[in-house]
Amino acid sequence: DIQMTQSPSSLSASVGDRVTITCRASQGISNYLAWYQQKPGKVPKLLIYAASTLQSGVPSRFSGSGSGTDFTLTISSLQPEDVATYYCQKYNSAPPSLTFGGGTKVEIK
Amino acid sequence: EVQLVESGGGVVRPGGSLRLSCAASGFTFDDYGMSWVRQAPGKGLEWVSGINWNGGSTGYADSVKGRFTISRDNAKNSLYLQMNSLRAEDTALYHCARDPGSYWGNWFDPWGQGTLVTVSS
Repeated sequence: DIQMTQSPSSLSASVGDRVTITCRASQGISNYLAWYQQKPGKVPKLLIYAASTLQSGVPSRFSGSGSGTDFTLTISSLQPEDVATYYCQKYNSAPPSLTFGGGTKVEIK
Repeated sequence: EVQLVESGGGVVRPGGSLRLSCAASGFTFDDYGMSWVRQAPGKGLEWVSGINWNGGSTGYADSVKGRFTISRDNAKNSLYLQMNSLRAEDTALYHCARDPGSYWGNWFDPWGQGTLVTVSS
């Protein structure tokens, strides 16, 4: 099975900072990667799919990149409302195997 | 507005059974694949099971294969998860979530609020 490893597991940054979260697949997954944001006590929210396609309504400060085994989620200017845990998820293999990364907790310094 | 509302969670003893339901509204239910995703308290996300638009194709995580059964009733706009032989490690908040297409195996959007399953003696 393909494993998804996120790093770091947590980070603390200042408002306005550029934040980068990494997700690494144990084998190549093309661009079959999604990113979610889960605020404390809330339901996960889709941010990005196909590695870099921003879901409708998601602020443009969020962006995704990567292909193959290495992917990144970038917040260009961290805002207080971005405090959350972020998860990557691989999808669309044959047969489908849907695996999440372990999560990255983002806090404000 | 698209809504997914789960129900059926509760406290059950190890070895017991539970049936979860997810009521869908605000979209054409039988156009979409659906999945169940769980989150143990304080832990990350784990996909549990998926089903295509007509129930003809299903998939399960290895951790629940042979114990859980996913199904749907398109006439009732409802998704189900029959959970048998429950274990302590099945304790989690169970969310239903919609696939972007008619199959299963893609990303999830949106998610329901979840129903809590606690397996304890």
